[in-house]
Amino acid sequence: EVQLVQSGPEVKKPGAPVKISCKVSGYTFTDSQLHWVQQAPGEGPEWMGLIDPEDGQIVYAEKFLGRVTITADTTTDTAYMEVIRLTFDDTAVYYCATSSGGSRGFFDYWGQGTLVTVSS
Amino acid sequence: DIQMTQSASSLSASVGDRVTITCQASRDIGDYFNWYQQKPGKAPKLLIRDASNLEAGVPSRFTGSGFGTDFTLTISSLQPEDIATYYCQQYGDVPFTFGQGTKLEIK
Repeated sequence: EVQLVQSGPEVKKPGAPVKISCKVSGYTFTDSQLHWVQQAPGEGPEWMGLIDPEDGQIVYAEKFLGRVTITADTTTDTAYMEVIRLTFDDTAVYYCATSSGGSRGFFDYWGQGTLVTVSS
Repeated sequence: DIQMTQSASSLSASVGDRVTITCQASRDIGDYFNWYQQKPGKAPKLLIRDASNLEAGVPSRFTGSGFGTDFTLTISSLQPEDIATYYCQQYGDVPFTFGQGTKLEIK
C-alpha cells in the first residue's frame, strides 16, 4: 500500500523558517517524482514544485523560487520542503503528492497534509 | 503560466440530478488534464486523469471529457456523498496549475 506520511502541524512566527517532511512507503521512492502543493484557507491548491529522487532534478513554481527548498533523502525515502522568511500569507496546509505514473502530472497519492500557521 | 478557469465557484443541485462542471485552460493542453474531489479536512482525491480516464474505485456516474482547452466533469446522478469541492488541474506545462474550485451543494 502506497503511503505518504507527513510531519505534524507547525506554528511559526513571521520571518522564521519551517521544514516539513514526507516519508513514503509502498513503492520505490526513486520511481516517481514527488510534488509539493500549498492550500491556503478557503483557496484552491497551488503547485509549489517537484523533485525527482532518482536524479535530484528539482523544478519550482516561480512564485516560490528563492524561498522554498525541496530535497529528498533516498536512504530514508523521505522528501522535505523548507520555506524560509515565513509571512502570514504562508499559513496553509502543505501536501506532498506523487503519481503512480512516474513523471506524469496526475497525483493519485497524497500525504495527509501539514498545517503551518504563521502567527505573531 | 496556464490559467485554469472553472465556470462556477458553486453549484446547487438535487439528489439524482445530472451535474456538469466545466473548466477552461488558457491555452491548449491536449489531454494533460485531471479532476479532483476534495472534502473538508481531506487531501484532494484524483477522480479522472488525462481528461477522461476514471480512476479505479471511482463510481461510474463520474465521467470526464474534453481536449485542448475545454473540459467537462459530469455526474450522471448526484448522490449525497458527492458533496465536495471539485478542482481541475493541468500538467501540460510547469507550473502545474489548478482551477479555483467548484463547490457542489445539495439543493
